[in-house]
Amino acid sequence: ETGVTQSPTHLIKTRGQQVTLRCSSQSGHNTVSWYQQALGQGPQFIFQYYREEENGRGNFPPRFSGLQFPNYSSELNVNALELDDSALYLCASSFPGGVGYGYTFGSGTRLTVV
Amino acid sequence: DAKTTQPNSMESNEEEPVHLPCNHSTISGTDYIHWYRQLPSQGPEYVIHGLTSNVNNRMASLAIAEDRKSSTLILHRATLRDAAVYYCILRGRETSGSRLTFGEGTQLTVNP
Repeated sequence: ETGVTQSPTHLIKTRGQQVTLRCSSQSGHNTVSWYQQALGQGPQFIFQYYREEENGRGNFPPRFSGLQFPNYSSELNVNALELDDSALYLCASSFPGGVGYGYTFGSGTRLTVV
Repeated sequence: DAKTTQPNSMESNEEEPVHLPCNHSTISGTDYIHWYRQLPSQGPEYVIHGLTSNVNNRMASLAIAEDRKSSTLILHRATLRDAAVYYCILRGRETSGSRLTFGEGTQLTVNP
């Protein structure tokens, strides 16, 4: 069984640019979530997708957007990058509505905005 | 979301048991208690979860207080690989149940 894979692993962008991060879900999982983790802090929920629709969003501005594809892979897009967007971005997949299930996380994409 | 409280850090010796506490005094009747851990340079890893009864799996045991206001993650024999940040998270059945709300967790150090 494959886990969650994210690409790229590291990325450096300039303030004001746009970035796209990619995630492939674990086999059999059709729900994907994205988290932002600043250095020294716990991950913060950005949003979740189920059946290609966003069905939950954290306290992040609209310049953070996403997509989920029919094969359940997903993208996180961030426009107009700011220095504070520098963080580890984590993708997690699970079964839907599963408070009784665990999430499987990828190893993340380390984004640095300069 | 109901809040959890964990110690910032704990220390253990290799091959000894470790008891990681979590207080969740505002837990609701339908909240599950989930534990994740995050090793250095990796994403969080699911460890275990429970509702009311104690739970065991290959990684750890979860002991839940009778009033459910606290729980303890038990690593029976710590190894160096268990050094990580451990997060205790409550997940409810409402709309917020789709997300994990992480606190700062407990940094576990395992001494050889």
